[in-house]
Amino acid sequence: EAGVAQSPRYKIIEKRQSVAFWCNPISGHATLYWYQQILGQGPKLLIQFQNNGVVDDSQLPKDRFSAERLKGVDSTLKIQPAKLEDSAVYLCASSPSGGAEQFFGPGTRLTVL
Amino acid sequence: QQQVKQSPQSLIVQKGGISIINCAYENTAFDYFPWYQQFPGKGPALLIAIRPDVSEKKEGRFTISFNKSAKQFSLHIMDSQPGDSATYFCAALGGHDMRFGAGTRLTVKP
Repeated sequence: EAGVAQSPRYKIIEKRQSVAFWCNPISGHATLYWYQQILGQGPKLLIQFQNNGVVDDSQLPKDRFSAERLKGVDSTLKIQPAKLEDSAVYLCASSPSGGAEQFFGPGTRLTVL
Repeated sequence: QQQVKQSPQSLIVQKGGISIINCAYENTAFDYFPWYQQFPGKGPALLIAIRPDVSEKKEGRFTISFNKSAKQFSLHIMDSQPGDSATYFCAALGGHDMRFGAGTRLTVKP
């Protein structure tokens, strides 16, 4: 079975620019997660979708971050405008029904200069 | 707020030795405790997990020990191999809230 796909793998932008990341979860997985992983730290949940509805976005900086899940399948995470502290790896994960086992994609490494 | 504390930050073990990584949690609502393994440039991958109704779970060379009263759990890697060199994250899940530890970078020397 194909894993979680993410693109791009790497992105370098200037501060105050905008950027978007794309995620395609494992087929049939209802739950999709976006995590932020800062160097040397564990992943931190930004937002969780169940199908195309938001379950938890309490840790998403909503003044600059937004996310959507199109038709309950693919998802896009956007940052506008980016700050230096947004430099991190953005991980997408999916699970069949939420919680227990989450399958992670390879991540997008964002560098904000 | 750090809800899962992981130690040590880094660990060096000789091939064939035992690697031990410890985690402690605060929220008693957590009811699922997975360990993830992450290689450079890859996303974390589930290694082994335990629920609080058992005190130990073993899968091959990997064992989780769980102490509910102390709110602590640990990962033991027996007969550590150079291929085990990676970053290991403990995590705790309550409802839909998954919290990760800061990670342990394990290096197994040949």
